Amino acid sequence: KNQVEQSPQSLIILEGKNCTLQCNYTVSPFSNLRWYKQDTGRGPVSLTIMTFSENTKSNGRYTATLDADTKQSSLHITASQLSDSASYICVVGNYGQNFVFGPGTRLSVLP
Amino acid sequence: GAVVSQHPSRVICKSGTSVKIECRSLDFQATTMFWYRQFPKQSLMLMATSNEGSKATYEQGVEKDKFLINHASLTLSTLTVTSAHPEDSSFYICSAPTLAGGANTGELFFGEGSRLTVL
Repeated sequence: KNQVEQSPQSLIILEGKNCTLQCNYTVSPFSNLRWYKQDTGRGPVSLTIMTFSENTKSNGRYTATLDADTKQSSLHITASQLSDSASYICVVGNYGQNFVFGPGTRLSVLP
Repeated sequence: GAVVSQHPSRVICKSGTSVKIECRSLDFQATTMFWYRQFPKQSLMLMATSNEGSKATYEQGVEKDKFLINHASLTLSTLTVTSAHPEDSSFYICSAPTLAGGANTGELFFGEGSRLTVL
């Protein structure tokens, strides 16, 4: 069964600190893995997209890694800001128009 | 700027009425669009896949007659919640992919969502 799991479910950190979010998947065949940021009451916004051959991709303070062998990905946030408070969703795509969504990690950055 | 526009962003209606939500791709053509439903503090749940020029594909458990989807053009898909009831109150989001070859590695853009409240 195609599944995407994310951990932790929620996370609270202080402003300026770093954090790492995890994503494990069993989607097959694998095509790509995406990380999205969703602010409360808004639509998700793309942070990174990685294909099978990519193992790291950065977007500003966000760095995503992918290990296609172990089927794991991480999203590292550096020097967190209050505006980073949001849900972070891992989405895995296989060939065609199929996307499997993870449950998300709710991040709260406190001053 | 936003490449997928969703309207209305908020709607309040009385029980028994129907509500239409529009999803438009502004900068590209989308033969496929997706509709999701999201309850508070939960993940997006795919409701249906909207296909331009053909019938939508609904996920298991989603009532076709309750949630009518029309994808009349390459830039517009609509979701109509018919005879809405309070339990239909939710956050509805659409998305549209831009294809990049058969590997589906293009962008998947989301609308801003529509908050439906049924009284």
